[in-house]
Amino acid sequence: GQQVMQIPQYQHVQEGEDFTTYCNSSTTLSNIQWYKQRPGGHPVFLIQLVKSGEVKKQKRLTFQFGEAKKNSSLHITATQTTDVGTYFCADNNAGNMLTFGGGTRLMVKP
Amino acid sequence: EAQVTQNPRYLITVTGKKLTVTCSQNMNHEYMSWYRQDPGLGLRQIYYSMNVEVTDKGDVPEGYKVSRKEKRNFPLILESPSPNQTSLYFCASSYSGGPLTGELFFGEGSRLTVL
Repeated sequence: GQQVMQIPQYQHVQEGEDFTTYCNSSTTLSNIQWYKQRPGGHPVFLIQLVKSGEVKKQKRLTFQFGEAKKNSSLHITATQTTDVGTYFCADNNAGNMLTFGGGTRLMVKP
Repeated sequence: EAQVTQNPRYLITVTGKKLTVTCSQNMNHEYMSWYRQDPGLGLRQIYYSMNVEVTDKGDVPEGYKVSRKEKRNFPLILESPSPNQTSLYFCASSYSGGPLTGELFFGEGSRLTVL
């Protein structure tokens, strides 16, 4: 089945530093969704990307969809302690299923 | 308040003792799904349902059963739990399931331990 790979698996940053997580697939991605899961919590939807080359921003978060629709990224500018959590990308290339990446766990040192 | 409710939130059981994890949503969503989350493996889909009486297997359905008799409920049944089913389980729902294009709303999770 489809595999969606996310890197890195873990990332420690100092508060104020930037952070990026990457989502890659060997097959063409359909619609990419990004979710955030706080420690001990449940995944919460952040955004969906549909078009090739699409870029969307939410305050300090920038989401990109690759031109070839084989990768996506989430970039956080000037991280804060409230950004702590695990970030997942997910693709619904299978139509009725969302295939999740393994997630990137972000830890922020104050 | 719009929500997905799972019960129980925590459960410790023994091998072979049948159990059911309930899931209910109050958003009139057509699509419902079950995921399990294990360290390093992300979220893996167990079963999903496009609508009442319509269910289908996800990536890891072995050892699980589901039913969708009502739109709001989607219980997950473990007929004979085994230790490899120890995991954190999430139920999720979405407005439309044909095809799935909308966001998923997740429940709080159910942490299951099988001894």
